Amino acid sequence: QSVLTQPPSVSGAPGQRITISCTGSSSNIGAGYDVHWYQQLPGAAPKLVIYGNSNRPSGVPDRFSGSKSGTSASLAITGLQAEDEADYYCQSYDSSLSGLWVFGGGTKVTVL
Amino acid sequence: QLQLQESGPGLVKPSETLSLTCSVSGGSISSSSFHWGWIRQTPGKGLEWIGSISYSGTTYYTPSLKSRVTVSVDTSKTQFSLRLSAVTAADTAVYFCARQIFGDNAVDYGMDVWGQGTTVTVSS
Repeated sequence: QSVLTQPPSVSGAPGQRITISCTGSSSNIGAGYDVHWYQQLPGAAPKLVIYGNSNRPSGVPDRFSGSKSGTSASLAITGLQAEDEADYYCQSYDSSLSGLWVFGGGTKVTVL
Repeated sequence: QLQLQESGPGLVKPSETLSLTCSVSGGSISSSSFHWGWIRQTPGKGLEWIGSISYSGTTYYTPSLKSRVTVSVDTSKTQFSLRLSAVTAADTAVYFCARQIFGDNAVDYGMDVWGQGTTVTVSS
């Protein structure tokens, strides 16, 4: 059971917009700690696609965007492309005994 | 461009100690802006942060593994290491090393550089 809760899967057709939720608690996201998002393609290492809730690292397409409100955060992908099919993980800091830097359980994005 | 590369045995016997090294190239390991961390991914499962070390040597460990984990850094060799003792089959995973980046006032900017990962199997 992950400290941060994500839906196991999300799917969408090419060109559509999808969102992935990340639900935390008062000891992590709700405490004001920032949320980061990672994309993991099959057989590859995770890649940072959003940091600090809503910032894109250099080279990440502006189709990717992030937001945070209360105890939750979201990753949105607009204009979904086949190359976006991957696992996505949210990550934040937790001030309880759960683990300091914690990840969500991951969401498999399928492009239909 | 900074690159990280994990190395170490791919097979470890139960009850023994898992030892991995992450070699850092293309950049400095000695900066107050970075922590150097280990994350693992069990087969078909998600990511689990194991532990990190700052440039000054301060260590941080996940509570569930704290009694068995040691993360250390060798700045002269630009590498950092993970030791996990008394391993069991549950420790079988892909182990990644990564750089955690911090801004002014210790603002956390995430893990921006990752190694490719190394598979460790615990089996007799």
